[in-house]
Amino acid sequence: QLHLQESGPGLVKPSETLSLTCTVSGASIVTSTYFWGWVRQPPGKGLEWIGSISFSGGTYYSPSLRSRVTISLDTSKNDFSLRVNSVTAADTAVYYCARLALRGGVTTRIDYWGQGTLVTVSS
Amino acid sequence: QSALTQPASVSGSPGQSITISCTGTSSDVGGYNYVSWYQQHPDKAPKLMIYDVSNRPSGVSNRFSGSKSGNTASLTISGLQAEDEADYYCSSYTTINTLGVIFGGGTKLTVL
Repeated sequence: QLHLQESGPGLVKPSETLSLTCTVSGASIVTSTYFWGWVRQPPGKGLEWIGSISFSGGTYYSPSLRSRVTISLDTSKNDFSLRVNSVTAADTAVYYCARLALRGGVTTRIDYWGQGTLVTVSS
Repeated sequence: QSALTQPASVSGSPGQSITISCTGTSSDVGGYNYVSWYQQHPDKAPKLMIYDVSNRPSGVSNRFSGSKSGNTASLTISGLQAEDEADYYCSSYTTINTLGVIFGGGTKLTVL
């Protein structure tokens, strides 16, 4: 059974960098059938896709966050990471890591989600 | 403002059926059969309920069904149960960002 688990600081100061890691168990992240990605949800609001990464390291980001986001992966640890630079209070959210299914080279659905981790941006 | 439009809330009584709509454009919902639906209970991660417009993952009740007409996709829940009370989000492939994901704003389902 596939399991995704987010880890990282729950509190980040404004203007600093948010860093999270998603550890994957039950399957290898080295697969051409899936991407690995991040979705966030501000308190009381809806879901927002942040970006995704392929097993070969190709990255795809939301246009609204592209300038501040980096997603990377470590195949030796079977995990992938998220960095968001220059955070503000608007980046306060529950951050989910997820597996995105591909078909014909496009993303079709998110079939597995981590439990989510709340990151608060505050001084 | 979300890329896909959903009603903010819907409600129904136990045993009844409800439908949640998800309206997009020909660049997403209307153009491709890659619409998915997610259920989210409070303080829980979203759960995939429907994919490719009308397919159910293993383990999802057959009370949940999906369909699409033009630029609008729909999620129907029949035989409503108290446990169905949750937020529901639609999502779709989009030509604007083919390897990205767009979501609807979410619909709060209340079981009366």
